[in-house]
Amino acid sequence: AQRVTQPEKLLSVFKGAPVELKCNYSYSGSPELFWYVQYSRQRLQLLLRHISRESIKGFTADLNKGETSFHLKKPFAQEEDSAMYYCALSAGGTSYGKLTFGQGTILTVHP
Amino acid sequence: DVKVTQSSRYLVKRTGEKVFLECVQDMDHENMFWYRQDPGLGLRLIYFSYDVKMKEKGDIPEGYSVSREKKERFSLILESASTNQTSMYLCASKSSYEQYFGPGTRLTVT
Repeated sequence: AQRVTQPEKLLSVFKGAPVELKCNYSYSGSPELFWYVQYSRQRLQLLLRHISRESIKGFTADLNKGETSFHLKKPFAQEEDSAMYYCALSAGGTSYGKLTFGQGTILTVHP
Repeated sequence: DVKVTQSSRYLVKRTGEKVFLECVQDMDHENMFWYRQDPGLGLRLIYFSYDVKMKEKGDIPEGYSVSREKKERFSLILESASTNQTSMYLCASKSSYEQYFGPGTRLTVT
């Protein structure tokens, strides 16, 4: 069975500081990894997925299969980045796109 | 724009009541999901459906059932609500690229 761990429940940084939200996973196959974000009073939405290797809102995430990690990074945090962030894994194949989520990290960016 | 709607934003029910949560999507997606979201636990999959009348249990199906009679509608049923089912319930539908989430239903069972 797959598992996703986000070790930090809360993360606080100041505006302009670098930010890294950690995500580790366990899965024996080749997973698809995602970051979802939920801003205050908004619905959960996709931020980025490892397959597309794109940068969204200045965030990047690299899949490290050796360390089974998919950490989310941004070099200069903005106040509007304050939100709940979830790392998620899909097993692919015949899993119908089911997602296994981590516990979530609340990011607060102070002015 | 994909639209996933849920029938209620807030719901208060009594212990033992039968509760229906409804989810509708307008993008002809085959796969739909029900999750519950709890602080410190993240989102956990209750049930999912990959076609009309087809369903599979997720990680925490106990105390829940689902119904999918039409492609656009996926219902979550709490057969006999209990206080430990007080939670935020999120519905999602899936394109080939990502899951799209509804706004959520905050259910309180008293």
